Amino acid sequence: AQSVTQPDIHITVSEGASLELRCNYSYGATPYLFWYVQSPGQGLQLLLKYFSGDTLVQGIKGFEAEFKRSQSSFNLRKPSVHWSDAAEYFCAVGAANPAGNNRKLIWGLGTSLAVNP
Amino acid sequence: DAGVIQSPRHEVTEMGQEVTLRCKPISGHNSLFWYRQTMMRGLELLIYFNNNVPIDDSGMPEDRFSAKMPNASFSTLKIQPSEPRDSAVYFCASSPGRSEGEQYFGPGTRLTVT
Repeated sequence: AQSVTQPDIHITVSEGASLELRCNYSYGATPYLFWYVQSPGQGLQLLLKYFSGDTLVQGIKGFEAEFKRSQSSFNLRKPSVHWSDAAEYFCAVGAANPAGNNRKLIWGLGTSLAVNP
Repeated sequence: DAGVIQSPRHEVTEMGQEVTLRCKPISGHNSLFWYRQTMMRGLELLIYFNNNVPIDDSGMPEDRFSAKMPNASFSTLKIQPSEPRDSAVYFCASSPGRSEGEQYFGPGTRLTVT
């Protein structure tokens, strides 16, 4: 069955420290992978996406993620966290669909990030 | 582009009343998704449309919930009658007509049923 696991429910880091949020997926076909961020009281915003090609993808706000097929992982990283990065982070996997009709995304349960000053 | 627009942003209603949530997707996007988010259940997909046609409504909780998309620029999610357990934030998202399927979310409607 298709699934996305974010093993860490809550993470706290100090401002300026590096960050890695874990995401593991289970999907039989070629996955399309996404990271979204949700600030308090806001909708979800797309941080970055992986479709094909270079397995290290760059996103907005200084985030990057690396696709590792052998580990079925798509971990999100940031070298130096800012207080404004405190938010909920969601990983999602979607189906490759050459027909062009969008399919639903499978979502992880999210990781809540707190940043200490 | 204005992004996905949802209205109202907040809705407080009494149990038994009808509630209608509205969504205007990003122009040119051909898919629309309705989600519900609660602390207990997280983010749940309720229903999604491709080219105004409902594709998967398996997430709709029960017959009290219904969704329509009469044209490419408008969708509604209706709850009738509403119950306190329907209290949640409801998000609408739209997606462009590409195979990759990234979604763009609206700001959400916070629904409180008393």
